[in-house]
Order: sequence, then structure tokens, then C-alpha cells
Amino acid sequence: AQTVTQSQPEMSVQEAETVTLSCTYDTSESDYYLFWYKQPPSRQMILVIRQEAYKQQNATENRFSVNFQKAAKSFSLKISDSQLGDAAMYFCAYQGGSEKLVFGKGTKLTVNP
Amino acid sequence: DVKVTQSSRYLVKRTGEKVFLECVQDMDHENMFWYRQDPGLGLRLIYFSYDVKMKEKGDIPEGYSVSREKKERFSLILESASTNQTSMYLCASSSLTSVVLDTQYFGPGTRLTVL
Repeated sequence: AQTVTQSQPEMSVQEAETVTLSCTYDTSESDYYLFWYKQPPSRQMILVIRQEAYKQQNATENRFSVNFQKAAKSFSLKISDSQLGDAAMYFCAYQGGSEKLVFGKGTKLTVNP
Repeated sequence: DVKVTQSSRYLVKRTGEKVFLECVQDMDHENMFWYRQDPGLGLRLIYFSYDVKMKEKGDIPEGYSVSREKKERFSLILESASTNQTSMYLCASSSLTSVVLDTQYFGPGTRLTVL
């Protein structure tokens, strides 16, 4: 069975600085998707960024980018120029051959002014 | 924009009650999902459905059932609520034909407390 591990239960960053959230996964599949979801306090979970495993190029969405290392089964999220609104729980998720997502346990990000 | 709504944000029930949690999506998505979210455990899949009247067990189906009579609506049922079912419940949907394939869109969640 696939597993997703987020080794940092909590992280903090100063406003305007850069932070990287770690995620590793375990799978025997060769074709899959990886996601980062953001859940602000008391608000809806939203997609931050997604990566298709067959693509070598790392996905980027404005201030959010990933470092996808397929051989190492690593999928970290980098947030540049951190803003107060980035404070949230961040979940890494894996999707293989089925429609099901496997989630990590989450990283709580605090942004300090 | 995709909109996934859940019938209640907060719900308080008593042990042994039958509880219905409703989820509706407005984007004609084929797939719908129910998760529970607990601190330190992340999101765990309870049930999912890939078509009307179809359902599949997720990782933690015990104590739950589901119903999908219409494509846009997916209900989670707690037949006899217990205190260990106190949790945040999240509904999600996804499409097989969307431009952004397989991305799941989430509802706002229902925080259920069982006393």
C-alpha cells in the first residue's frame, strides 16, 4: 500500500522569507500524481499545486513550487516570499491507479510578522 | 468554479443516534468521497463513489454507510453514532473528464461531536 510521510508536524517562517515543507512517499507504481493541499484555519481545503510523475519539470504556481525527485520519492513544497495568508495546514497527497488520494498527516505552517 | 457544499458546519448528536451528513457538488463530477480528519492522523478515506448507486469502501468504513441516489449528492450515514466518531468530516468530488484530471475539490467540512 502507498504511504505518504510528512516529517515536520509544525514549521514556522518569517514573513517575506522562504520555507520548504517536506514530503516523501512510498509506491511501486510508475505513473501517479502528487498534490499539495492547503487548509487555512476554519476554512476550506484547496489545491495548491499538482505534479504528474511522468513530467520531469517541477510544477510552479506563482510563489509555490515543488522539488520532485522521483527516484528518491520526494516531493517538497517551497513557498517563496511568505505571506500571513499562507498560514495553514499543508497536506501532501498521492494518487496512483485508482481515484483515491492517500494523504500525509500534515504540516502546520505559522507565518510570523 | 467548482462548488462542494455540506449540509452543516457544526453538528452535535447523542450516542446511538442515526446521523446523516449530506454533500452536494454542482459540477457534474462522477467521483465523490468522504473523509474524516483527526489531529495528527491527517485525512482518512471512509467511502467513495464513482457513479450513481455505486460505492467502494475506503480505509476506515466500519460504523459508516453511504448513499448516492443522484449524481450530485453523496450522503454519509452513521447508523448508531459513537463518541469515537467525533471528528471533522470532509466531502470531496472529482471528475474523470476535467481539464485538471483527478484533482479533488473539497467541501467546507462538518465538525461532528457525539456526546
